[in-house]
Amino acid sequence: QLQLQESGPGLVKPSETLSLTCTVSGGSITRSRYYGGWVRQPPGKGLEWIGSIYFSGGTYYNPSLKGRVTISVDTSKNQFSLNLSSVTATDTAVYYCTSGFAGWFDPWGQGTQVTVSS
Amino acid sequence: EIVLTQSPGTLSLSPGERATLSCRASQSVSSTYLTWYQQKPGQAPRPLTYGASSRATGIPDRFSGTGSGTDFTLTISRLEPEDFAVYYCQQYGSSTWTFGQGTKVEI
Repeated sequence: QLQLQESGPGLVKPSETLSLTCTVSGGSITRSRYYGGWVRQPPGKGLEWIGSIYFSGGTYYNPSLKGRVTISVDTSKNQFSLNLSSVTATDTAVYYCTSGFAGWFDPWGQGTQVTVSS
Repeated sequence: EIVLTQSPGTLSLSPGERATLSCRASQSVSSTYLTWYQQKPGQAPRPLTYGASSRATGIPDRFSGTGSGTDFTLTISRLEPEDFAVYYCQQYGSSTWTFGQGTKVEI
């Protein structure tokens, strides 16, 4: 049973880059057809898909984030990471990492609060 | 981009009652790639049904998903106290994932 854990700074300054890492335990992330994903939830709002990376190759991003997103994987550490550049207050949210296959996400990390503020 | 619209925004019901939640897509979605999630305060979402109608591991049979094309429904046959939460639908298509805005089921 895979378990996921997000890590990274809880406070980021405006215009800087938000960087988070998801560490996967309980199995290898290199299984074919599987992907990792990042989803965020602003305070009091719904879920927003940020992007996904297939561990066999290929990354896909939410067009609304306009090229600010990069997701990468480090198979040697069983981790995948999120970089979101030029952040503003609207990027304040709980950020979840998740994994899955066949179009859905399971399991999920517990989520990490990221606040954008000077 | 496919937009998912959930209705109603809030559903006020009592334990034991039936809940019917709707998810409508702006264009046709493969039923293979339609998933429902439940989220409770302070918790990550957990999947309830995938492939539009298959229940995820450990999900009780009072939860059922149906639908095809652009119209999908999650039904909770008899609400238990632990079912009061927010529910989201999610679709995958053309290497893009999208979520609906959620339906809150409250007492």
